[in-house]
Amino acid sequence: DIVMTQSPDSLAVSLGERATINCKSSQSVLYSFNNKNHLAWYQQKPGQPPKLLIYWASTRDSGVPERFSGSGSGTDFTLTISSLQAEDVALYFCQQYHDTPTTFGGGTKLEIK
Amino acid sequence: EVQLVESGGALVQPGGSLRLSCVVSDNSFRTSSMNWVRQAPGKGLEWISFITSGSSTMYYADSVKGRFTISRDNAKNSLYLQMNDLRDDDTAVYYCARDCNSPRPRPNWFGPWGQGTLVTVSS
Repeated sequence: DIVMTQSPDSLAVSLGERATINCKSSQSVLYSFNNKNHLAWYQQKPGQPPKLLIYWASTRDSGVPERFSGSGSGTDFTLTISSLQAEDVALYFCQQYHDTPTTFGGGTKLEIK
Repeated sequence: EVQLVESGGALVQPGGSLRLSCVVSDNSFRTSSMNWVRQAPGKGLEWISFITSGSSTMYYADSVKGRFTISRDNAKNSLYLQMNDLRDDDTAVYYCARDCNSPRPRPNWFGPWGQGTLVTVSS
């Protein structure tokens, strides 16, 4: 199975500042057939289910604010929140769907400093 | 906006069985692959099962293979998870989630997700 490792486990950022979350896969999730990275990001607020933010490593889902962006390729990926808002406090997970079983990172808890 | 509603979670003894259901609010269900994902208390996400729109292909995580069975009824816009021989470590919130790239017959990215149903396995 592909192991997804997120860092840091938790992160405290001031309002309006940039937040960066990293995700590393144990093997490449770049699919040569379509030259796309099979990597998604989710946000989970307390007491709520996960919400899709980004797929194909950098494509924002419909309605996701522009301050959320995804980057990276191969085995190393980043979720960036350009200007942290109070409503962004949540757990963030990465997921690879290159192989079955699909696997998730352990999560990063984002808080306000 | 499509909604997914799970039900069937309960307190069950080790070795027991339970059947979870997920009802999807619109007919997009009939052309969508679907997944079950679980989250143990305070833990991360674990994908456990996938089924294509026509039920021709199903996948399971090793942790549940041989004990859990995924199925669906497209006439009822419903997804099911039959769970047998339950263990303590099956305790979790179980989410159903729509697969977002259904032409590809394996798990892709997921959205939306239901609110989840809690399964507690304990004596």
